Amino acid sequence: AQKVTQAQTEISVVEKEDVTLDCVYETRDTTYYLFWYKQPPSGELVFLIRRNSFDEQNEISGRYSWNFQKSTSSFNFTITASQVVDSAVYFCALSEVISSGSARQLTFGSGTQLTVLP
Amino acid sequence: DTEVTQTPKHLVMGMTNKKSLKCEQHMGHRAMYWYKQKAKKPPELMFVYSYEKLSINESVPSRFSPECPNSSLLNLHLHALQPEDSALYLCASSQDSRQLNYGYTFGSGTRLTVV
Repeated sequence: AQKVTQAQTEISVVEKEDVTLDCVYETRDTTYYLFWYKQPPSGELVFLIRRNSFDEQNEISGRYSWNFQKSTSSFNFTITASQVVDSAVYFCALSEVISSGSARQLTFGSGTQLTVLP
Repeated sequence: DTEVTQTPKHLVMGMTNKKSLKCEQHMGHRAMYWYKQKAKKPPELMFVYSYEKLSINESVPSRFSPECPNSSLLNLHLHALQPEDSALYLCASSQDSRQLNYGYTFGSGTRLTVV
């Protein structure tokens, strides 16, 4: 079975602080994909990043950066100089093959509610 | 067009009503999905359609009936729902159900309340 753990249920920071959201995963697949999604109060899941299991290069996109460490099965997400608009629930997800093998699905972590205070 | 459009955005229905949720995408994606999300929980997969055929039904009660009329449209027909079915229903699409290189594109969801 595959599993994604986001141990931080809620995080509050003051605007301009840096914040790191943790994600630890378990999988037996040798090839897999990891994702981060943002879900603001409006409900839509917004795709942030995809990382495949063969690419451990860290990535930076503006104020966002991701640290993928296969050795520790972690895929952490850092927001630098946080802003109020970053307030949302953030989900880490792992792609997995559904048992019948006919499709893949995303297995989501439980999510981290980030609140950025002005 | 890089969006998945869901209608309606909000729906209140009685336990004896019949209603439908609609989802549309024009990205040429061949896989479409229904997810259910309860408050403060992650999304849970309900159905997967691949090339307009139902490929996965995650043991969803028969009061939920999916339909894929064509490659761009996905419906979820609702009948005799229970109050515990109140949730956010998310539609998603991907290029192919076997390849998740690019993840899913999600719609903004339908917030369903069953009274």
